[in-house]
Amino acid sequence: DLQMTQSPSSLSAYVGDRVTITCQASHDIATYLNWFQQKPGKPPKLLIYDASNLETGVPSRFSGSGSGTDFSFTISSLQPEDIATYYCQQYDNLSFTFGPGTKVDFK
Amino acid sequence: QAHLVQSGAEVKQPGASVKVSCQASGYIFTSYEISWVRQAPGQGLEWMGWISAHNGNTNYAQNLQDRVTMTADTSTSTAYMELRSLRSDDTAVYYCARIDLSFYYGSGRPPFDYWGQGTLVTVSS
Repeated sequence: DLQMTQSPSSLSAYVGDRVTITCQASHDIATYLNWFQQKPGKPPKLLIYDASNLETGVPSRFSGSGSGTDFSFTISSLQPEDIATYYCQQYDNLSFTFGPGTKVDFK
Repeated sequence: QAHLVQSGAEVKQPGASVKVSCQASGYIFTSYEISWVRQAPGQGLEWMGWISAHNGNTNYAQNLQDRVTMTADTSTSTAYMELRSLRSDDTAVYYCARIDLSFYYGSGRPPFDYWGQGTLVTVSS
């Protein structure tokens, strides 16, 4: 089974900071990696698909990169509305797996 | 604009079954799959499986395949997820989401672009 690791599990930052989250797959998944944002009490929201493509309507301060086993997600300038938990998700052989999540809050 | 509306909260006893519905609108139901994801209180997201609304094909997560059944009613554009032999650790919010597996063959929308509002299932004696 494919395993996903995500780090850090939580982070604190200031408004305007650059924030980076990493995700690692246990084997090569090409670019089949998505990133989601989830706020309390709400369903997840797709931000980045296929490792680096910004979903329609998502602000350009969000970006993703990587391929194979190593991926990263960046918020270029953290905004108050970005406080949330972020999840990576991989696709492999008709199945999906979510990473454990990274909780982002303010210092 | 796609829209997924789920059924209301449920309270079940251990050993019982629960069936959650997800009614789709705003798109051609049979052109996509519906996936189910759950989230235990304070925990992360767990993918449960998907069903093709076109032909009823399914793929379930290995750890649930003995207890879960996903179905789709094309006449009402509604997907269902039934979980049997409920245990306390099945207490979670259950979400449906639209996916397009043709995306992985070079066309279509990225998966999990629309989600239902979630259904809380509580398993307690």
